[in-house]
Amino acid sequence: DGGITQSPKYLFRKEGQNVTLSCEQNLNHDAMYWYRQDPGQGLRLIYYSQIVNDFQKGDIAEGYSVSREKKESFPLTVTSAQKNPTAFYLCASSVQGAFEAFFGQGTRLTVV
Amino acid sequence: KQEVTQIPAALSVPEGENLVLNCSFTDSAIYNLQWFRQDPGKGLTSLLLIQSSQREQTSGRLNASLDKSSGRSTLYIAASQPGDSATYLCAVIMIKAAGNKLTFGGGTRVLVKP
Repeated sequence: DGGITQSPKYLFRKEGQNVTLSCEQNLNHDAMYWYRQDPGQGLRLIYYSQIVNDFQKGDIAEGYSVSREKKESFPLTVTSAQKNPTAFYLCASSVQGAFEAFFGQGTRLTVV
Repeated sequence: KQEVTQIPAALSVPEGENLVLNCSFTDSAIYNLQWFRQDPGKGLTSLLLIQSSQREQTSGRLNASLDKSSGRSTLYIAASQPGDSATYLCAVIMIKAAGNKLTFGGGTRVLVKP
């Protein structure tokens, strides 16, 4: 089935650790995005990529890093510099033209 | 800077009643507007996409209207069912926005009581 797969569903991070969230899509979309969702704050854009080997910072990029080596993959690393990483992370992709966005099922990251 | 607002933040209705969800945006230079549904702990499911040249879109019991000049979109859900209980979010894409980023509203949490 075509879609966006995020893994893992739940992730626990110790203080000072880097962790990587996976996002894979088989929709042949050029653009991919990472959003963070906190209770009462809606979705905020972390990073986005319009094409392979290119990505741009969103509104809250500090403490995060990404790569886009393949069209279908856009992993997000939450570094130790991110002071408040506990949140729900959503990956999305969109098709050129109408720019309709499709989302994965999310990864819930908790600092322990 | 584009700001998207959804009021009310929460809504509770008896089963069978029609739902009316509002979305307003401050900058009318949008490329499209998209409505999503989110169940607790889940990702977003696309419901309807309205391009800026369109006035409305329909899918089954769902109808979304768009009035760019007044900066408003409304999602109507006819004959609500308990399964419609979820959070509904709207998002806009700006014309010529770098990366075609979506700007989201805060969502309306809907509870349909049996």
